[in-house]
Amino acid sequence: DIVMTQTPLSLSVTPGQPASISCKSSQSLLYRDGKTYLYWYLQKPGQSPQLLIYEVSNRFSGVPDRFSGSGSGTDFTLKISRVEAEDVGVYYCMQSIQLPTFGQGTKVEIK
Amino acid sequence: EVQLVESGGGLIKPGGSLRLSCAASGFTFTNAWMSWVRQAPGKGLDWVGRIRSKTDGGTTDYATPVKGRFTISRDESRSTLYLQLNGLKSEDTAVYFCTTGSNSYPLAYWGLGTLVTVSS
Repeated sequence: DIVMTQTPLSLSVTPGQPASISCKSSQSLLYRDGKTYLYWYLQKPGQSPQLLIYEVSNRFSGVPDRFSGSGSGTDFTLKISRVEAEDVGVYYCMQSIQLPTFGQGTKVEIK
Repeated sequence: EVQLVESGGGLIKPGGSLRLSCAASGFTFTNAWMSWVRQAPGKGLDWVGRIRSKTDGGTTDYATPVKGRFTISRDESRSTLYLQLNGLKSEDTAVYFCTTGSNSYPLAYWGLGTLVTVSS
């Protein structure tokens, strides 16, 4: 199984300030079709996970442009340019180049 | 609008069986790959397994911890996904989510989940 490792595991951010979460995979997520199968999710308190980013850097429908994803191979980053109160929750990265696996999650709270 | 509604959760004794259902609407169920993901209380997300569309063979894949105990199936006539849980263990206690998506985003849409509690 591909192991996904997120850092940090928790983050406290002042509203309006940026935030960044790292995700590293134990194997490259670049497939022979040229796509990289890395996703980011946010699970707000008491809710189901919601897709933010697919294939490293593509925002899903309705996701604000303050969220951006980057990276390649085994190293990936989710950035929030200006954190808002509604961004609190747990962020997960996930790979699907093999059977899907998730990172441990990064809990984001507001200072 | 894609809707996924899980049901069938509850309290079950270790070693017992349970069948979860996921009623799907708002998309062409017959063309969709469907997955189950679970989340133990206070823990992260764990992929459980998936079933391909009938046109893609209708075959299944499972995560190692559930292989041989859980079975995923689908009923096209009812647009419903199932998860049969056998030989339940305390570590299977979790909220079970039904998910679907597309090639570019396989787990884009999620239900609200159904709670399975395995305890004597």
